[in-house]
Amino acid sequence: DGGITQSPKYLFRKEGQNVTLSCEQNLNHDAMYWYRQDPGQGLRLIYYSQIVNDFQKGDIAEGYSVSREKKESFPLTVTSAQKNPTAFYLCASSSRTATNEKLFFGSGTQLSVL
Amino acid sequence: RKEVEQDPGPFNVPEGATVAFNCTYSNSASQSFFWYRQDCRKEPKLLMSVYSSGNEDGRFTAQLNRASQYISLLIRDSKLSDSATYLCVVKLSSNTGKLIFGQGTTLQVKP
Repeated sequence: DGGITQSPKYLFRKEGQNVTLSCEQNLNHDAMYWYRQDPGQGLRLIYYSQIVNDFQKGDIAEGYSVSREKKESFPLTVTSAQKNPTAFYLCASSSRTATNEKLFFGSGTQLSVL
Repeated sequence: RKEVEQDPGPFNVPEGATVAFNCTYSNSASQSFFWYRQDCRKEPKLLMSVYSSGNEDGRFTAQLNRASQYISLLIRDSKLSDSATYLCVVKLSSNTGKLIFGQGTTLQVKP
């Protein structure tokens, strides 16, 4: 079945530690996105990529980094510079060429600080 | 001003009621509009796209008002299973690929 897979479902980070969240899709989508959701809040865009080897900062990119070496994969690293990383992280993908393309979401990763 | 604004609610309505949500957007160049549904701690799922002429899908009707820069979602004959958070999503242009989410409006349908 085609879809988008995030792992792990739950992740704990120690002070000063970098952690990486995985996002893989087999939908052959060009565009991929990372969003952060805090309790009672909407989704805020961290980074997005419209094509392999290219990505752009979203609204809250500080303290995060990404790579897009393969079309299927868009991992997000939460660095030690992100002082408030506890949140629900959602990865999504879409077909870049469609006008009213829908976003397909992964099931999310809950990141917490120990 | 936020790029996409929604009343967070919660909207508490009895089963069978009709309820409407509005969402305003600030960028007049916005091109595509969507409503997503999100259940607690789950991923958002597309409910419906919003077309200029308005569109209906069963009990759900979406409308776009470009002059006033808002979109709306109307739910008729509310079911208990409609309880969720409804997210308004705006795409700025086909070229940027950037989608902006509203805060979401929470709906609680009571028996």
